[in-house]
Amino acid sequence: DQQVKQNSPSLSVQEGRISILNCDYTNSMFDYFLWYKKYPAEGPTFLISISSIKDKNEDGRFTVFLNKSAKHLSLHIVPSQPGDSAVYFCAASAPFGTASKLTFGTGTRLQVTL
Amino acid sequence: KAGVTQTPRYLIKTRGQQVTLSCSPISGHRSVSWYQQTPGQGLQFLFEYFSETQRNKGNFPGRFSGRQFSNSRSEMNVSTLELGDSALYLCASSRVAGATYEQYFGPGTRLTVT
Repeated sequence: DQQVKQNSPSLSVQEGRISILNCDYTNSMFDYFLWYKKYPAEGPTFLISISSIKDKNEDGRFTVFLNKSAKHLSLHIVPSQPGDSAVYFCAASAPFGTASKLTFGTGTRLQVTL
Repeated sequence: KAGVTQTPRYLIKTRGQQVTLSCSPISGHRSVSWYQQTPGQGLQFLFEYFSETQRNKGNFPGRFSGRQFSNSRSEMNVSTLELGDSALYLCASSRVAGATYEQYFGPGTRLTVT
């Protein structure tokens, strides 16, 4: 049972434009949602997170939106840069006491073109 | 501030052997989680330690075990290695700060079982 889904395996965006990465989840008990960027053979790099009590969190070029009623979150990267090209994972954490147990989506490969 | 460190970075073992991986979390982080990453299964949660106690456990056989020391450093042990244990093993340390949850990953240990 895939509780966290990223339905787009890949996305191509032109440099300077907005990249929107999407993620859906099924478990309404998830407490926090996190986004990671990953290069091959490296550990994921934490980008930004959002609590389930919020609907938006912003950090520099990264903004995460959470729509609890739709069980959907998205990561916006503005403006996109070639260095943003990587695989992006969303992850969800279980409620208090099990928060560190992240459930990951399958990833979306972002390609930022010149 | 130093990130999560893992040693060794690469390991080659033969079937039946055992292996111990080490992780040092970010200073001040008391929670350490371990994940296994494989091309077929993606990132899968192994277990989490908090204040020297295993707090959460994923669906892995008992051959996978871990421990945490009083300085929050953690070790993971895999006994009776199987070919299918070849993977990137990632350690992560985390903290909750108000409405923010952050989990940072180390670079991983690439284990190859022959």
